[in-house]
Amino acid sequence: QQQVKQSPQSLIVQKGGISIINCAYENTAFDYFPWYQQFPGKGPALLIAIRPDVSEKKEGRFTISFNKSAKQFSLHIMDSQPGDSATYFCAAKGGRGGADGLTFGKGTHLIIQP
Amino acid sequence: EADIYQTPRYLVIGTGKKITLECSQTMGHDKMYWYQQDPGMELHLIHYSYGVNSTEKGDLSSESTVSRIRTEHFPLTLESARPSHTSQYLCASIAAGTDTQYFGPGTRLTVL
Repeated sequence: QQQVKQSPQSLIVQKGGISIINCAYENTAFDYFPWYQQFPGKGPALLIAIRPDVSEKKEGRFTISFNKSAKQFSLHIMDSQPGDSATYFCAAKGGRGGADGLTFGKGTHLIIQP
Repeated sequence: EADIYQTPRYLVIGTGKKITLECSQTMGHDKMYWYQQDPGMELHLIHYSYGVNSTEKGDLSSESTVSRIRTEHFPLTLESARPSHTSQYLCASIAAGTDTQYFGPGTRLTVL
């Protein structure tokens, strides 16, 4: 059972456009929702994160929108640049009792066309 | 930003060999994790540790084992490698009182 569902699987956006990636979760015990960016051959790097008591968080060109009632959250990348081309993973933490490892979505391969 | 080191970065090995993937961090983080990631796919938690002499299995069943004898060191061992173990293995750690997981660069393992 996949607890964090991510879409789309792949996304192509023109330079300067807005990239939007969506995630939905099942477990209401999740209490922390990070987004990670991963380049080929590298480990994931934290991009931005949010907690369920906040509906939106913005850091530079990156914004997380969070809808607790719908159990959905999304990443918006404004003014997308070719350097943003990477794989993006949403994740969630909690709901495992004593364990606090992350549950990841399947990832979105983002390509920004110049 | 945390410094997490993984060695080797790439490993090609034959079936039946014993291997140990190294992970170390210099931040003094108590919590450490191992994830398995197939190419282009999501990460799955396979092991975690909350401190010295603490190890637990994660969500994804794995034939690997881990140990935590020192805070900074969290090695993963496969006693007898098989082609089904071919994957990328990522190590991560968290500072006390935070939720931010910092990942190492990963070890890409290929078992022939």
